[in-house]
Amino acid sequence: QSVLTQPPSVSEAPRQRVTISCSGSSSNIGNNAVNWYQQLPGKAPKLLIYYDDLLPSGVSDRFSGSKSGTSASLAISGLQSEDEADYYCASWDDSLNGYVFGTGTKVTVL
Amino acid sequence: QVQLVESGGGVVQPGRSLRLSCAASGFTFSSYGMHWVRQAPGKGLECVSLIWYDGSYKYYADSVKGRFTISRDSSKNTLYLQMNSLRAEDTAVYYCARGGITFGGVTAPDYWGQGTLVTVSS
Repeated sequence: QSVLTQPPSVSEAPRQRVTISCSGSSSNIGNNAVNWYQQLPGKAPKLLIYYDDLLPSGVSDRFSGSKSGTSASLAISGLQSEDEADYYCASWDDSLNGYVFGTGTKVTVL
Repeated sequence: QVQLVESGGGVVQPGRSLRLSCAASGFTFSSYGMHWVRQAPGKGLECVSLIWYDGSYKYYADSVKGRFTISRDSSKNTLYLQMNSLRAEDTAVYYCARGGITFGGVTAPDYWGQGTLVTVSS
């Protein structure tokens, strides 16, 4: 059972903006960096955002991350069909002394 | 470029053992923490184990504690996961990932392998 909670799914039309929330606690998001991963169908996860809001080289700037208190968000602007994937937030948890993932959110482009 | 190649997956009966390997290349293996992350069919991601760059710290999820053992051999640039007393609920794709994101002494995955499927079934 994950300690980070995400909505199971979000959907929006092409060229629109979607936001995915990630809710945690003071032992994880509230005290540690949040990272986001994108998993395309049948593929391995890929790092999308790290240190709350930084983009790895090669990742489109249509993706952005933010954090406030014990919650974080991933925003995708100018939604494209290629963005259809599962998205996971993740953070270190000081109580578990391990790395934890969110429940995952499936993004559908209508 | 960073490459991580998992091997050792397959079909195994409940109660038996399996050892997964992850061959790393394209980076200085001995300088990075490493993770094993699994994904059961149709389910989310779970970090089952991680090991610091020097092996001084190892983490196990409660679901595998006492049954799985993580280790690394820097002379071979290889990460291992010894899985004993396997259960049906251990059926998953197992990913090896490099802990390239570091903050406050802890580590998080940046590069991932393609995964190896472990099926536990009689």
